Amino acid sequence: DVKVTQSSRYLVKRTGEKVFLECVQDMDHENMFWYRQDPGLGLRLIYFSYDVKMKEKGDIPEGYSVSREKKERFSLILESASTNQTSMYLCASSSQGATGANVLTFGAGSRLTVL
Amino acid sequence: GNSVTQMEGPVTLSEEAFLTINCTYTATGYPSLFWYVQYPGEGLQLLLKATKADDKGSNKGFEATYRKETTSFHLEKGSVQVSDSAVYFCALTASGGSYIPTFGRGTSLIVHP
Repeated sequence: DVKVTQSSRYLVKRTGEKVFLECVQDMDHENMFWYRQDPGLGLRLIYFSYDVKMKEKGDIPEGYSVSREKKERFSLILESASTNQTSMYLCASSSQGATGANVLTFGAGSRLTVL
Repeated sequence: GNSVTQMEGPVTLSEEAFLTINCTYTATGYPSLFWYVQYPGEGLQLLLKATKADDKGSNKGFEATYRKETTSFHLEKGSVQVSDSAVYFCALTASGGSYIPTFGRGTSLIVHP
């Protein structure tokens, strides 16, 4: 069964800590995404990568960075965690298939609490 | 820009009731349209999709028809079950090579026995 695996389901960190959220996919997908999900706000795109070492800012990149050194792995980094980054983080991947027909496969999510 | 508007929830139904969740979109050209479902404690998963006008996507008893004239993709199910309780997201990917989908805000469905 194809999968997107997020390394941590639940994390609790303190303000100012550096936080790494890891995501690995086994589908040889070119595209990978990081979203955050908050009640009433739906999904908001943080960063997107369409190839190794390539990244594009999404709608809310401030306070985040990403790394994609290998095709299967896409990491989200919070350089200095703040309480307003408490959220559910979702990783997803998709192939660069027929234009407009890309389906996203999501991981189970990482719930981050910043104290 | 592209946008997706869904009816606000929660939608609360009794088991075996008929379900409609409205979704309308704004996009240029001919987008592909999707419904994703998120069960409690899980990530999103694809429920159904349609890639051109008048296509009907269907899965697990759910259906949605791509209506270009009304720019809509409403989700329907004839008889809901308690296990259908989840959050449903409508989404589109634009034509022209974009890989980034646009999501609606999600609609929570609660089905009571």
